[in-house]
Amino acid sequence: DTGVSQDPRHKITKRGQNVTFRCDPISEHNRLYWYRQTLGQGPEFLTYFQNEAQLEKSRLLSDRFSAERPKGSFSTLEIQRTEQGDSAMYLCASSLGLGGHRYEQYFGPGTRLTVT
Amino acid sequence: GQQVMQIPQYQHVQEGEDFTTYCNSSTTLSNIQWYKQRPGGHPVFLIQLVKSGEVKKQKRLTFQFGEAKKNSSLHITATQTTDVGTYFCAGRGLIFGQGTTLQVKP
Repeated sequence: DTGVSQDPRHKITKRGQNVTFRCDPISEHNRLYWYRQTLGQGPEFLTYFQNEAQLEKSRLLSDRFSAERPKGSFSTLEIQRTEQGDSAMYLCASSLGLGGHRYEQYFGPGTRLTVT
Repeated sequence: GQQVMQIPQYQHVQEGEDFTTYCNSSTTLSNIQWYKQRPGGHPVFLIQLVKSGEVKKQKRLTFQFGEAKKNSSLHITATQTTDVGTYFCAGRGLIFGQGTTLQVKP
């Protein structure tokens, strides 16, 4: 399977714990995106990378959230001191990217986080 | 910050009827993308519009980008049960609307 993969698919954690999610993009894609989606809403943009550089981060993103893409391939999203409001589906997507041009994003299956 | 609004939130149609969803941005968009998400699935790319006034067709689907590049629409002609899902527009490919969920009665 050469699509976008995410791990784990489900995560249940207690409030206050830290969690980390991993995303493996399509291999030739240099851009990688993180979104959060709750029921009945569209994906909410969190951040995106071009290669290893984090180019844009949502102003709404709490400082408890951090993302990395150290070698320009896979990425991790960490949430520290989780809160019940962090419960959501966390989606990763990847695309080609060249300058300011936007390309179609391929989404992974998501990681469903439940904070109890 | 930039916002993208979509209407309606839900639409129930009889199979064979037409369907339209509208997307409006508070600011001018460099481009807009459309995605479809089936229940329990992830968003799947449909199309990207870049030029002012652009119209693109994919079989029964027609996509339009407004002249001012602040609004867009998706029109489906003669809906089928396979069209069921939630349709999202995404300004700059990053800022998603809340989506329009389409239900089709056979």
